[in-house]
Amino acid sequence: QSALTQPASVSGSPGQSITISCTGTSSDVGAYNYVSWYQQHPGRAPKLMTYDVSNRPSGVSNRFSGSKSGNTASLTISGLQAEDEADYYCSSYTSGSTLVFGGGTKLTVL
Amino acid sequence: EEQLVESGGGLVQPGGSLRLSCAASEFTFSAYWMSWVRQAPGKGLEWVANIKQDGSEKYYVDSVKGRFTISRDNAKNSLYLQMNSLRAEDTGVYYCARPRWQQRTLDVFDIWGQGTMVTVSS
Repeated sequence: QSALTQPASVSGSPGQSITISCTGTSSDVGAYNYVSWYQQHPGRAPKLMTYDVSNRPSGVSNRFSGSKSGNTASLTISGLQAEDEADYYCSSYTSGSTLVFGGGTKLTVL
Repeated sequence: EEQLVESGGGLVQPGGSLRLSCAASEFTFSAYWMSWVRQAPGKGLEWVANIKQDGSEKYYVDSVKGRFTISRDNAKNSLYLQMNSLRAEDTGVYYCARPRWQQRTLDVFDIWGQGTMVTVSS
């Protein structure tokens, strides 16, 4: 049950697009289309941003989009805004009927 | 508004025990699988355990198997986490979380509590 691999940090300027990767294995990310992404601001509970790879809950901006190729999932944020600065976590269902999260990525809006 | 409120955190010595509670409101608690997720200080999220609607199935992350027990009382709309043989590495904020749909077991968490802090230290 090793954590999924995410870059520790990414940054971008307002208006730009960034992509955060999430690499797993053939027993989690590669096996299921059950990848979700969460946003977490300091001191706050996580917020669901995308689920089942590329679906977005109502109320979440369409600037957030998810995708997957093989064992790697990605979250793309377009038109970066100051309020997007936060930590982002991916998660995936696993073949052991458990859930594994990524180590988290700190997004800095320059 | 659908809500989860955790309680029961605190300071405990290594080897000690603690019982966390999570009170649910404004949704049909008995219809959902429920999970506990924790976060060590300055670290990432870690799924800890989940439990089926009727309590008949439970799953745990390897690091807590044999030490933690998840349970629920649907009549009280409450979720619990009994933590025994606590270690320093169990320190962190513990969240209860609910999946978006009743048929999902342990992902797509759209309702989270505010978290309760557990500190394991002598």
